[in-house]
Amino acid sequence: GAVVSQHPSWVICKSGTSVKIECRSLDFQATTMFWYRQFPKQSLMLMATSNEGSKATYEQGVEKDKFLINHASLTLSTLTVTSAHPEDSSFYICSAPGPPRLARDLETQYFGPGTRLLVL
Amino acid sequence: TQLLEQSPQFLSIQEGENLTVYCNSSSVFSSLQWYRQEPGEGPVLLVTVVTGGEVKKLKRLTFQFGDARKDSSLHITAAQPGDTGLYLCAGGGGFQKLVFGTGTRLLVSP
Repeated sequence: GAVVSQHPSWVICKSGTSVKIECRSLDFQATTMFWYRQFPKQSLMLMATSNEGSKATYEQGVEKDKFLINHASLTLSTLTVTSAHPEDSSFYICSAPGPPRLARDLETQYFGPGTRLLVL
Repeated sequence: TQLLEQSPQFLSIQEGENLTVYCNSSSVFSSLQWYRQEPGEGPVLLVTVVTGGEVKKLKRLTFQFGDARKDSSLHITAAQPGDTGLYLCAGGGGFQKLVFGTGTRLLVSP
């Protein structure tokens, strides 16, 4: 199956600093990637849709100036949490639609392993 | 806004018991996925169902997609401690954004 990686797997930073999280599709190209946030014991909430070569589409309530998304290439999307605060501490997960090797793959998204962010 | 409600929210059972998790929505989805997630990891895809009325079996797991493509269920037979985790249904997929269900946390005790 398709593989999506994230880096770093975890990060601790001081309040007010910025943190960059990378999402890579390892063996396929992804013109679209999705960024999710998950708080403890909760489900995943979509933050934004990252589009290669164009601006990201943010979900309602997500501050685009705080969560900067850059889809620089067909295999890399980055999420930068700017001026991080303790309430931004969460588990951030990305996903990408898989390559259509099979018809059913057209409906499948592959998830990265997640990045745990702790803001002190 | 599309919403997917899962029930129950939490389930604690003994090894060997059977269980069913439900995923319901008022919206129609072109496809629906089931994921299992363990603490500190990303969701792992279990199955994708795309046809109304479809039933798929993966060993002890049986997935059903409702005829109207608004709901789904996951049935686990003879649960094992290794089945413990957060089970998530999600509608949409592919190049469409996924709408995740509220989640069902399963704990299977030996």
